[in-house]
Amino acid sequence: EAQVTQNPRYLITVTGKKLTVTCSQNMNHEYMSWYRQDPGLGLRQIYYSMNVEVTDKGDVPEGYKVSRKEKRNFPLILESPSPNQTSLYFCASSQTRLGADGYTFGSGTRLTVV
Amino acid sequence: AQKITQTQPGMFVQEKEAVTLDCTYDTSDPSYGLFWYKQPSSGEMIFLIYQGSYDQQNATEGRYSLNFQKARKSANLVISASQLGDSAMYFCAMREGATGNQFYFGTGTSLTVIP
Repeated sequence: EAQVTQNPRYLITVTGKKLTVTCSQNMNHEYMSWYRQDPGLGLRQIYYSMNVEVTDKGDVPEGYKVSRKEKRNFPLILESPSPNQTSLYFCASSQTRLGADGYTFGSGTRLTVV
Repeated sequence: AQKITQTQPGMFVQEKEAVTLDCTYDTSDPSYGLFWYKQPSSGEMIFLIYQGSYDQQNATEGRYSLNFQKARKSANLVISASQLGDSAMYFCAMREGATGNQFYFGTGTSLTVIP
């Protein structure tokens, strides 16, 4: 089944403890991106990647890092999480850069930083 | 300025009726793409429909159609013959530029279908 898999689905952590949210797609998509969703704000793009070793900042990159060492994986790294990073996170991928085929989203990761 | 504006926080529609969800966008780039996504209470994001800025005709996908008015910079989603399963949050989004890969979402509209 074609899908984007995020792990974990739920995570509670403490301020300052480094964490990684994994994202993997099995569709050989070149384009991948990360979003956070907050009430009343919709989804905001954190980082995106157009291919292996090619990443760039989205709208709200502060406090996050990403890497794209393999085409299928695009992990999101929070080096020193803070409570304002409590949010619902989505990873997405697309076959085409323009996304006309529609971006496929993962199921989301609900992160709580205390 | 907001890139995507959805002015209807909540909408109600009677089952089997049509409903229009509003979306306006802001860009000076001649090349862009417009999207609508559905987010049910379970949380996943489901792609509904896409409209490219150079597309001459309005996009349609089953019961979904996108009313694209380029001069007004609006991209309203029309759902025909509403069903109870259409109750969800709906997000309008824009990918800006021929080479840009930044993606902007609106704040969403919560649609409730009444039996």
